[in-house]
Amino acid sequence: GAVVSQHPSRVICKSGTSVKIECRSLDFQATTMFWYRQFPKKSLMLMATSNEGSKATYEQGVEKDKFLINHASLTLSTLTVTSAHPEDSSFYICSAFGAGINEQFFGPGTRLTVL
Amino acid sequence: AQTVTQSQPEMSVQEAETVTLSCTYDTSESDYYLFWYKQPPSRQMILVIRQEAYKQQNATENRFSVNFQKAAKSFSLKISDSQLGDAAMYFCAYRILNRDDKIIFGKGTRLHILP
Repeated sequence: GAVVSQHPSRVICKSGTSVKIECRSLDFQATTMFWYRQFPKKSLMLMATSNEGSKATYEQGVEKDKFLINHASLTLSTLTVTSAHPEDSSFYICSAFGAGINEQFFGPGTRLTVL
Repeated sequence: AQTVTQSQPEMSVQEAETVTLSCTYDTSESDYYLFWYKQPPSRQMILVIRQEAYKQQNATENRFSVNFQKAAKSFSLKISDSQLGDAAMYFCAYRILNRDDKIIFGKGTRLHILP
């Protein structure tokens, strides 16, 4: 199947700093990418839908100024957690929906720890 | 609201036995896909099986099969000849066709395989 990568796989940062997470579709063009957040032993919670070249659509309750999403190309979307706080610590997963491929592929996730 | 309900937070099955994971969903749409995803300890989301709502025939993938009851909005997963590698979190999910392609997940069922 198609491959989606995420970088970094884990990151530890100090409170107040910003962290950028990259999501790349390696062998297909992704018209739409999704960002999820997963708390320990919980389900995936959709944060936002990212379409190439347009503004992201955020789910209710997700702060768009806190979680900045940029989908600059058909193979790259980034999630920036701005002014991170300990409560932002979580596992972040992206998925990519391929143009002409009627399926979503998930990245391996990024574990963010904010001290 | 569109929801996915998995009523079994945890289940255990003896190795080589058969287990069924339950899932119900609620939607007013007629065209959608249903999925079962597996999330092992690595936390990589793996698609186990997919069912198109317009198809009456239940999907099967080797040891994995579903019982899709569209009128009852039920979508259970049967795992036959359970193996130790089947131990994971299993998420039931659906996606509405021709909308925003986002996937809605249930809360998950943790499956333990007893040797």
